[in-house]
Amino acid sequence: EVQLVESGGGLVQPGGSLRLSCAASGFTFSSYEMNWVRQAPGKGLEWVSYISSSGSTIYYADSVKGRFTISRDNAKNSLYLQMNSLRAEDTAVYYCAREIPTVTTNWFDPWGQGTLVTVSS
Amino acid sequence: QSVLTQPPSVSGAPGQRVTISCTGSSSNIGAGYDVHWYQQLPGTAPKLLIYGNSNRPSGVPDRFSGSKSGTSASLAITGLQAEDEADYYCQSYDSSLSGSNVFGTGTKVTVL
Repeated sequence: EVQLVESGGGLVQPGGSLRLSCAASGFTFSSYEMNWVRQAPGKGLEWVSYISSSGSTIYYADSVKGRFTISRDNAKNSLYLQMNSLRAEDTAVYYCAREIPTVTTNWFDPWGQGTLVTVSS
Repeated sequence: QSVLTQPPSVSGAPGQRVTISCTGSSSNIGAGYDVHWYQQLPGTAPKLLIYGNSNRPSGVPDRFSGSKSGTSASLAITGLQAEDEADYYCQSYDSSLSGSNVFGTGTKVTVL
């Protein structure tokens, strides 16, 4: 069974740091591009970051650029998101999602169950 | 602020048909990029519902259908059921944005 399991969320003060992890199983992790997507309480989905299968290509949403770092360890089947200089507006459930490659427009499947990050003093 | 606009909510009685629009522009849907749809049941993670504008993954009931025309896409639910009450999001690609994957604003479907 293809599965993604996030961990590492919690309560952190503004300006603090947190590292999220996403453990993948049931598929060849090193062959897939991966993403982080977040959802603030009561709000919609917001794409956060992308990493290619090898880790050589990375993109970030403008809202997190310069503060968040995405990385992966293909030997450990794991995806990471290092979050620094956290702000109240970063409070959200963070999902990791596998990107399915196509000729035109990729989609996300599956998604992890999510991990909640709360930034508050 | 998302570049794909959806109605905040739609509702219908059991058995009825509802549609959700996803309106984009010439840099995303109108540029020919495909649209995908996700269903998010209360308290759960999003799940792929429709891919490539109109294709259903295995296990998705055929009462869900998708279409695309011009700068918009639509998701239709026919024979609405109580378990369809959820949030629905469209997703596509936008050539003007860093990273390029974009989600719609989301639509809450309520079964009356």
